[in-house]
Amino acid sequence: KAGVTQTPRYLIKTRGQQVTLSCSPISGHRSVSWYQQTPGQGLQFLFEYFSETQRNKGNFPGRFSGRQFSNSRSEMNVSTLELGDSALYLCASSPDGVSQETQYFGPGTRLLVL
Amino acid sequence: DQQVKQNSPSLSVQEGRISILNCDYTNSMFDYFLWYKKYPAEGPTFLISISSIKDKNEDGRFTVFLNKSAKHLSLHIVPSQPGDSAVYFCAASARYNFNKFYFGSGTKLNVKP
Repeated sequence: KAGVTQTPRYLIKTRGQQVTLSCSPISGHRSVSWYQQTPGQGLQFLFEYFSETQRNKGNFPGRFSGRQFSNSRSEMNVSTLELGDSALYLCASSPDGVSQETQYFGPGTRLLVL
Repeated sequence: DQQVKQNSPSLSVQEGRISILNCDYTNSMFDYFLWYKKYPAEGPTFLISISSIKDKNEDGRFTVFLNKSAKHLSLHIVPSQPGDSAVYFCAASARYNFNKFYFGSGTKLNVKP
């Protein structure tokens, strides 16, 4: 089975712009979660989608949003980019998103905001 | 709120010796714990998990121990190999929160040949 894929791998944007990142989960996985990793920080949970519905949300401002499509592929969008949004954005998938289920991560999208 | 903490940012170990990575948590509702390994420019790779109904889980050279009363878990790697050099993250979740995982800030392990 192919793993979790994320596109693009690298992105450079300027302050005030918006960006959309894409994630394709492992085939058959229906839960997709997004995380932000900044230098020296662990992974911070952004949100989780299951069956096209946002089921869980972290403590991020409304500039961060996402969606999931019927084929379980997910996108996240960041509007009005700030310098502090520079980070590695990771997507993880799991079969059903139920408790005690392992998440599998993609390689991440490295976003640099200038 | 940092509900999962890895207080050692780095650890250096000689090849062949034991590596012990520690993780503390504050939320008593956490009932599932994972360890991930991460190389630069790659996503985290799942290593080993443990449910709160167990206190130990082994997989080859990797063993995870869970001490619920102390809200502490540790990852033991025996014997350590240079290829184990990476950043290790522990993560925790609670049954009521589906797939919302809380991650520690990571411990960078360096295994010296």
